[in-house]
Amino acid sequence: EPEVTQTPSHQVTQMGQEVILRCVPISNHLYFYWYRQILGQKVEFLVSFYNNEISEKSEIFDDQFSVERPDGSNFTLKIRSTKLEDSAMYFCASSEGAAGGARTQYFGPGTRLLVL
Amino acid sequence: AQKITQTQPGMFVQEKEAVTLDCTYDTSDQSYGLFWYKQPSSGEMIFLIYQGSYDEQNATEGRYSLNFQKARKSANLVISASQLGDSAMYFCAMREGRNDYKLSFGAGTTVTVRA
Repeated sequence: EPEVTQTPSHQVTQMGQEVILRCVPISNHLYFYWYRQILGQKVEFLVSFYNNEISEKSEIFDDQFSVERPDGSNFTLKIRSTKLEDSAMYFCASSEGAAGGARTQYFGPGTRLLVL
Repeated sequence: AQKITQTQPGMFVQEKEAVTLDCTYDTSDQSYGLFWYKQPSSGEMIFLIYQGSYDEQNATEGRYSLNFQKARKSANLVISASQLGDSAMYFCAMREGRNDYKLSFGAGTTVTVRA
């Protein structure tokens, strides 16, 4: 069964460093998303991406964050200058389409980011 | 205001019994979707079940069913014949409107299945 994959599974970085989190969405999916979950808290939406552009972003997704689909398979989240409060589990998700059940988002296993 | 409310932080259920997880939502849109996800201790988010706001029948997927009461704005998840592997955190989520993309999640309910 096709699935969303994410690399790395864990990332430790120093405050102020740049990190890139990578995702490979399900191959026939058109919509891509990033969410984060701070330890013990609810899952929060960061950004959605369709047709090579951001379709929606939350207030969390400030200028420190960017997303890119550099080729036909990868979808990346870049944090330019990490802060301690960026420590969280980051989930990539993808969905097939725009109507009804086709909007179901399938999540990757997550990247656990720790900023020291 | 919270869009998704899950009032049960934790629940215990005996193996082979059914358990109901509560979820209420708040939206003024007529078109919306409701989702349940399972998060085991390993951390991944697993899609369980989907209910569209215009769906007249309650959704079912194997041992999972969604008790959708539109007038009460509730979308409770029922897990029948609980198994030890059902022990996890369960999140209710909502997508609003026709052109909205994001999911709004509730705080989650931890389910522990006892042998």
